[in-house]
Amino acid sequence: GAGVSQSPSNKVTEKGKDVELRCDPISGHTALYWYRQSLGQGLEFLIYFQGNSAPDKSGLPSDRFSAERTGGSVSTLTIQRTQQEDSAVYLCASSLVTESEQYFGPGTRLTVT
Amino acid sequence: RKEVEQDPGPFNVPEGATVAFNCTYSNSASQSFFWYRQDCRKEPKLLMSVYSSGNEDGRFTAQLNRASQYISLLIRDSKLSDSATYLCAVKGYSSASKIIFGSGTRLSIRP
Repeated sequence: GAGVSQSPSNKVTEKGKDVELRCDPISGHTALYWYRQSLGQGLEFLIYFQGNSAPDKSGLPSDRFSAERTGGSVSTLTIQRTQQEDSAVYLCASSLVTESEQYFGPGTRLTVT
Repeated sequence: RKEVEQDPGPFNVPEGATVAFNCTYSNSASQSFFWYRQDCRKEPKLLMSVYSSGNEDGRFTAQLNRASQYISLLIRDSKLSDSATYLCAVKGYSSASKIIFGSGTRLSIRP
């Protein structure tokens, strides 16, 4: 079946612009995560959606970052007024239920110039 | 102390060797454990789940030690293609708990 998809695969933007990153999880998966990974670094947790519960936003680095998940499926991560330090690969993952393994999308490589 | 810790490595071993690395976790109530593999510039991919009774998949064996709060990954007869970063992941006991990843252990297999 189809895996997790993300779009765009690459995004180059100018400092100060807003960007939207999209994640389509595996159909039926109730949990969805966003992570950020800089080159050579580990996964930095950003936000976690679980079913209809309030999302865990504890990893969002600033109020410029927000995310939503519509209809329990597609999620959008928005970064406002992008800064150069926002440059990284943004990974989305979904899991069937919270206890089960995660499946990752290919990521969006964001470059802020 | 980080919630999930791994030795970053790199581990540099010859082809055919056996290599093992551990991942420690701080929350004793953690319930779910996983090993992921991440190749350079790729997304992490699930390698195996770690069960209380241990788990073996071909050359790979994962074990859980609840008393000492760590999970381990053993790779036997290592291949060049095993070169990657290995990430452990741990989830707490409640449905609201998120999965937490270690920062990864880099493994390089030399010919």
